[in-house]
Amino acid sequence: GENVEQHPSTLSVQEGDSAVIKCTYSDSASNYFPWYKQELGKRPQLIIDIRSNVGEKKDQRIAVTLNKTAKHFSLHITETQPEDSAVYFCAPTGFQKLVFGTGTRLLVSP
Amino acid sequence: DAGVTQSPTHLIKTRGQQVTLRCSPKSGHDTVSWYQQALGQGPQFIFQYYEEEERQRGNFPDRFSGHQFPNYSSELNVNALLLGDSALYLCASSDTSREGDTQYFGPGTRLTVL
Repeated sequence: GENVEQHPSTLSVQEGDSAVIKCTYSDSASNYFPWYKQELGKRPQLIIDIRSNVGEKKDQRIAVTLNKTAKHFSLHITETQPEDSAVYFCAPTGFQKLVFGTGTRLLVSP
Repeated sequence: DAGVTQSPTHLIKTRGQQVTLRCSPKSGHDTVSWYQQALGQGPQFIFQYYEEEERQRGNFPDRFSGHQFPNYSSELNVNALLLGDSALYLCASSDTSREGDTQYFGPGTRLTVL
């Protein structure tokens, strides 16, 4: 079965700092690697994704890096803002089935 | 361009009852996946429907069943409700013919079992 872990489970930063969340997975069949942001009481929102033939992807303040050999990928948020506060989930995917990680609660203090 | 919609938003049932939740996929999407999210946890995959058939299933009992209609909308049915079925039920849609892995979520149905 799949095993997906995220670290850290909680991350507190000051506004303007950078935040990095790491996701490790076990299923070598995973070939699609999204990150979702979920605010309290709301739906998971896709914020960035990467496919296995790419090592890094960036979208404004957000970036994702993938090390498929080591089976981990990371979410990088630069210049954090209070509205970045949420729970972030990785969801490595094979055959269109998202397997969610344990979640990371990010708190950005003004 | 309509996004993923779900109904109802909230539902309260008692143990042993049955419930039906509904999902309409994003325009142009043909695949619907259902997830259960317990409080404080990540979503767990229940099953996925494509071409009106269950294509794959997670580790959920047969009390959980579903259906997909010709217009790609979908229903999730849960029989013999247990207290532990209380959760947020999310559906996600995707387009199998184009980058089928990318899934967009609906707002969810919060089910409370008393």
